Amino acid sequence: AQTVTQSQPEMSVQEAETVTLSCTYDTSENNYYLFWYKQPPSRQMILVIRQEAYKQQNATENRFSVNFQKAAKSFSLKISDSQLGDTAMYFCASNYGGATNKLIFGTGTLLAVQP
Amino acid sequence: DVKVTQSSRYLVKRTGEKVFLECVQDMDHENMFWYRQDPGLGLRLIYFSYDVKMKEKGDIPEGYSVSREKKERFSLILESASTNQTSMYLCASSPGQGGPNTEAFFGQGTRLTVV
Repeated sequence: AQTVTQSQPEMSVQEAETVTLSCTYDTSENNYYLFWYKQPPSRQMILVIRQEAYKQQNATENRFSVNFQKAAKSFSLKISDSQLGDTAMYFCASNYGGATNKLIFGTGTLLAVQP
Repeated sequence: DVKVTQSSRYLVKRTGEKVFLECVQDMDHENMFWYRQDPGLGLRLIYFSYDVKMKEKGDIPEGYSVSREKKERFSLILESASTNQTSMYLCASSPGQGGPNTEAFFGQGTRLTVV
C-alpha cells in the first residue's frame, strides 16, 4: 500500500525562526509528485509547494523549501522566517500517478507560530 | 479565480437520515474527490471520479455512495447516517487524466454532525 507518514502531530516555533516539518512516504512507483498543503484555521486547504520525484533539485517557493531525499523516501518542509500567518495544519501528500490524480495524505502537523 | 464550493459549511442530521453533500467546481476539472478529515487520521479518500458518471472507491467507501451526473458537480451520499460519520468532509478537484503534476483545489469543507 502507498502511504504517507507525518510523525510530528504538533510543533511550535517563534516568529522569525526556522522550522522543519517531517514527512516520509512509501511507494514502488517510479514517477510521482509530492506536495505540502496548508490548512489555516477555519480556512480552505491550499497548496504550499510541490516536488516531482525525478527532479533532483529541491523545490523552493519564497520562504518555503523542501528537502527531498528520494532514496530515504523523505520529504521535509522548511519554513524560514516564520510568520504568524503560517500557523496552520500542514499536510504532506503524494500523487502516485496513473490515470487519475489521486492524492494520499499524511495525518498532518499542527504548526503554531508564537509571537 | 478557481473555485470549489461545498453546499453547506455546517450540517446536523439525525441517525438514519439520508444525507447529501454537494460540491461544485467551476474549473472544468475532470477529477473530483471526497475526503473525510478526522483529528489524528489526516484526510482519507472516500470516493473519487475521473469523468462524468465514472467513479472509484477510495480507502473508506463503506456507508457512502457518490453521484456525478455533470462534470462540475460531485455529490456524496450517506445512505443512512450514523454517529461514526460525524466528521469534516472535504471536496477537491483537479485537472486532467494522467500526469501527477496537477494541483488539487479544495472546497471550504462541510462539518457534519450526526446525532
